Amino acid sequence: QLQLQESGPGLVKPSQTLSLTCTVSGGSISSGSYYWSWIRQPAGKGLEWIGRIYSSGSTNYNPSLKSRVTISVDTSKNQFSLKLSSVTAADTAVYYCARTDVMPDLDWFDPWGQGTLVTVSS
Amino acid sequence: EIVLTQSPGTLSLSPGERVTLSCRASESVSSSYLAWYQQKPGQAPRLLIYGASSRATGIPDRFSGSGSGTDFTLTISRLEPEDFAVYYCQHYGSSPPYTFGQGTKLEIK
Repeated sequence: QLQLQESGPGLVKPSQTLSLTCTVSGGSISSGSYYWSWIRQPAGKGLEWIGRIYSSGSTNYNPSLKSRVTISVDTSKNQFSLKLSSVTAADTAVYYCARTDVMPDLDWFDPWGQGTLVTVSS
Repeated sequence: EIVLTQSPGTLSLSPGERVTLSCRASESVSSSYLAWYQQKPGQAPRLLIYGASSRATGIPDRFSGSGSGTDFTLTISRLEPEDFAVYYCQHYGSSPPYTFGQGTKLEIK
């Protein structure tokens, strides 16, 4: 059974870079059949898709965050990572990683990681 | 980019009742590429429905989805205590960015 697990600092100072890693277990990130996404959710609010990466390193980002986001993949470690630069309090959220299929008709998010809370504060 | 609007924002119901949640798209959703997720407090969202009407693995048959074009619904035929949660719809199958509805909260009356 595929599982995803987020990890990284829970506290980041304003203007610094938020860095998170998603470790995939129970399957290979290199399988070639999936995209790997980051999604965030501020407390009490809805879900915002941040971006996704394919095992080749090809990425797509949400235009609203594109200038500050970098998603990378390390197939040797079966991990993908998120970097969000110049963070502010508005970036405080629970960050999730999730998988989607490369086929458009199968392109929903499943499974999801449990999520990790990142707080931006000095 | 398709905008999804869910209604109502909050519903107060009792266990055993039937409920229908609405998700309306700003333009037609091709091939019913619409998913529903359930999120309980402190948990990640869980896929319930894909393709507008297909239940994900392990989802009880009291959950059903329907709709096409711009109007979609999620119905829970008989609410169980564990069904009180927030429900999100999501459009997929086209170029990113992916978008979600703002959510409907089901609370116990």
